[in-house]
Amino acid sequence: NAGVTQTPKFQVLKTGQSMTLQCAQDMNHNSMYWYRQDPGMGLRLIYYSASEGTTDKGEVPNGYNVSRLNKREFSLRLESAAPSQTSVYFCASRLLNTEAFFGQGTRLTVV
Amino acid sequence: GEDVEQSLFLSVREGDSSVINCTYTDSSSTYLYWYKQEPGAGLQLLTYIFSNMDMKQDQRLTVLLNKKDKHLSLRIADTQTGDSAIYFCAESNSNTGKLIFGQGTTLQVKP
Repeated sequence: NAGVTQTPKFQVLKTGQSMTLQCAQDMNHNSMYWYRQDPGMGLRLIYYSASEGTTDKGEVPNGYNVSRLNKREFSLRLESAAPSQTSVYFCASRLLNTEAFFGQGTRLTVV
Repeated sequence: GEDVEQSLFLSVREGDSSVINCTYTDSSSTYLYWYKQEPGAGLQLLTYIFSNMDMKQDQRLTVLLNKKDKHLSLRIADTQTGDSAIYFCAESNSNTGKLIFGQGTTLQVKP
């Protein structure tokens, strides 16, 4: 049972490049989330998917897009990376109103 | 909108009690959570409290909830050096499925 798996673990991008962060969970969870973590800012919600087929903006959605590909997978896309998007990105999943399980994070640097 | 606020840093001596405070704004929050993050790792659930409860105790952890003031606290009794980590408070809205985190409180435990 792998839980929540994020790929890649590390990535360096040049300004203007695009990339997709992948997240998959094997716990049959309905809800999935993408957060970014920056020093002193805590975890800020980028986008979430309360159930398969729905996605909603969080606190800091600008510059990102998401796709809930199926119940297991929720991807985060940066169309044109900017240095301000340098951060650690976490994916999480849960059943509604229960514990959220987190992936190990993706450390992204945009130069 | 939803917002969760925490102080950024707390330092205690080993064996003392630690109290980490959190305030939230969403009166529709049904569950409130405390997560722990150790260096280089994802978040793990410590404990949670349902919004109709005032207090929950779990071994060395005590959670107090003042729903009127939207104030949540986590008390760690007999704090150990292994408790050094970042502690996050989070609120969950059962209507939207949103899960919002605070900035995190870094707990430093001195021997």
